[in-house]
Amino acid sequence: AQTVTQSQPEMSVQEAETVTLSCTYDTSESDYYLFWYKQPPSRQMILVIRQEAYKQQNATENRFSVNFQKAAKSFSLKISDSQLGDAAMYFCAYRSSFRLTFGEGTQLTVNP
Amino acid sequence: KAGVTQTPRYLIKTRGQQVTLSCSPISGHRSVSWYQQTPGQGLQFLFEYFSETQRNKGNFPGRFSGRQFSNSRSEMNVSTLELGDSALYLCASSFSTSGVYNEQFFGPGTRLTVL
Repeated sequence: AQTVTQSQPEMSVQEAETVTLSCTYDTSESDYYLFWYKQPPSRQMILVIRQEAYKQQNATENRFSVNFQKAAKSFSLKISDSQLGDAAMYFCAYRSSFRLTFGEGTQLTVNP
Repeated sequence: KAGVTQTPRYLIKTRGQQVTLSCSPISGHRSVSWYQQTPGQGLQFLFEYFSETQRNKGNFPGRFSGRQFSNSRSEMNVSTLELGDSALYLCASSFSTSGVYNEQFFGPGTRLTVL
């Protein structure tokens, strides 16, 4: 079974600074997808970024980028120029057919 | 395009009752998944439907069931409610279950409280 681990239950960052959230996963599959989701206090789960395992190039979406290390099974999220609106719970997720497996989440606080 | 909608948004039930939650996916999406979110267990996969067929099921008791209709709308049912069923139930839809169109988009959730 696939597992996803986020070792940082809480992180904090100063506004305009950069923060990196860690995620590791375990799988024996070669074809899969990885995602970062954001869940603000409204509880609406929002897709932040996705990475296809077959792509070596790291995904980037505006201020959000990932560092995907397939051999190490590591998938970290970097948030640049942090904004107050980035404060939320962030979940790393692994997707194979028919199932999305989530990590435990990292609560990000952004300090003004 | 309208997003994923879930009804009702809030629900209060008592132990032993049953409940039905509804989810309408994004137009054109044929896959619907359900997740349970609790403070203690985090986000746990319940089941996924694609074209009216259950494709995968998580590790939940048989009291949890679901179905999908021909218009891709989905319902999940929980019978004989227990206090531990209190949770946020999230529905997500995707165009497909594999390949580049498998990213899931979530609804706002249904908050179920069992007294």
